[in-house]
Amino acid sequence: GAGVSQSPSNKVTEKGKDVELRCDPISGHTALYWYRQSLGQGLEFLIYFQGNSAPDKSGLPSDRFSAERTGGSVSTLTIQRTQQEDSAVYLCASSLWASGGNEQFFGPGTRLTVL
Amino acid sequence: AQSVTQPDIHITVSEGASLELRCNYSYGATPYLFWYVQSPGQGLQLLLKYFSGDTLVQGIKGFEAEFKRSQSSFNLRKPSVHWSDAAEYFCAVGGQAGTALIFGKGTTLSVSS
Repeated sequence: GAGVSQSPSNKVTEKGKDVELRCDPISGHTALYWYRQSLGQGLEFLIYFQGNSAPDKSGLPSDRFSAERTGGSVSTLTIQRTQQEDSAVYLCASSLWASGGNEQFFGPGTRLTVL
Repeated sequence: AQSVTQPDIHITVSEGASLELRCNYSYGATPYLFWYVQSPGQGLQLLLKYFSGDTLVQGIKGFEAEFKRSQSSFNLRKPSVHWSDAAEYFCAVGGQAGTALIFGKGTTLSVSS
């Protein structure tokens, strides 16, 4: 079946502009995660959605970052007033909600470059 | 503090030789452990996972890993490396569903002929 998809694959923007990154999780997966992968910082958790519950935003680095998930499926990560330090690969993952382990399936990522 | 340590930033192995990538973790609850592989420009692909039971787990592409609770380790092994195994490998720890994964910094594997 189809995996996690993300768009765009690459995004170049100017400092101060807003960007939106999209994630389509695997059909039937109720949990959705955003991570950021940057040089020197590795992979960092940003935000987590599960069904209709309030998202876990504990990893968002600043209030310029926000995310929403519509209809329990597609998610959009928005970065306002982008800064050069926001340049990174943004990865989305999804998983089934089940007791026990937490196997997450990752999309190909969106590479964001802020000039 | 919860963390994952991959002591080796870069490893070079000859094709056909054996491989072991090290991973140590610190986690306050029952750990669920994962190894992912990332090829250049690609997302993360799950190689294998440990949830419970047998401490030696088999994964895809001929990889295996052994969970050692006493050493807080989850090392990845492969008996014979192929050139196509060259990639970056990430060890991760998490809890039950709904918890974020904590990743190590990764180990880059190069394969020489």
